[in-house]
Amino acid sequence: DGGITQSPKYLFRKEGQNVTLSCEQNLNHDAMYWYRQDPGQGLRLIYYSQIVNDFQKGDIAEGYSVSREKKESFPLTVTSAQKNPTAFYLCASSIKGDHEQYFGPGTRLTVT
Amino acid sequence: QKEVEQNSGPLSVPEGAIASLNCTYSDRGSQSFFWYRQYSGKSPELIMSIYSNGDKEDGRFTAQLNKASQYVSLLIRDSQPSDSATYLCAVGYNQGGKLIFGQGTELSVKP
Repeated sequence: DGGITQSPKYLFRKEGQNVTLSCEQNLNHDAMYWYRQDPGQGLRLIYYSQIVNDFQKGDIAEGYSVSREKKESFPLTVTSAQKNPTAFYLCASSIKGDHEQYFGPGTRLTVT
Repeated sequence: QKEVEQNSGPLSVPEGAIASLNCTYSDRGSQSFFWYRQYSGKSPELIMSIYSNGDKEDGRFTAQLNKASQYVSLLIRDSQPSDSATYLCAVGYNQGGKLIFGQGTELSVKP
């Protein structure tokens, strides 16, 4: 089955800790994206990557970091510098240059 | 600042009625437009894409695009309770395949 997987589904952390969210896809898509969704809000772009070993900041990159060492994987680290990390995090992928994005199931992060 | 605006709702329609969801966008250079459906607690699911002016139909769904008015809509015919969800409008820009999302419209279909 082709698709996008994100793990874990729920994640709980203490304030001050860094946490890494996993995103893997087997759709052979070149482009991958990370979004954040807060209750009652649309999606806001954190980082995106069009090709391996290259990525760009989105609209709300502060307090986050990413890597793209493999085409299939695009992990997101939420650092202790992120002021309000509690949110629903969504990973998406698309064919390079195509705006049709497909989403993984998401990771719900709670930081207390 | 590129913006995508939707009525947040909730929009309530009776079962069997037509639900009409609307979206406006600010950048005239936009080339691609999408509707995603998001059930509570789940991730968005792509249901329609439209690229040129006019209507595009897929089953009970019709997307309508008017670039001159910077307006895109989604009609759901014969609405079912299972259509109850939040519908997100997304607009594509040339830069790197990025999408800008509206805040979503919550639809409730009452039996």
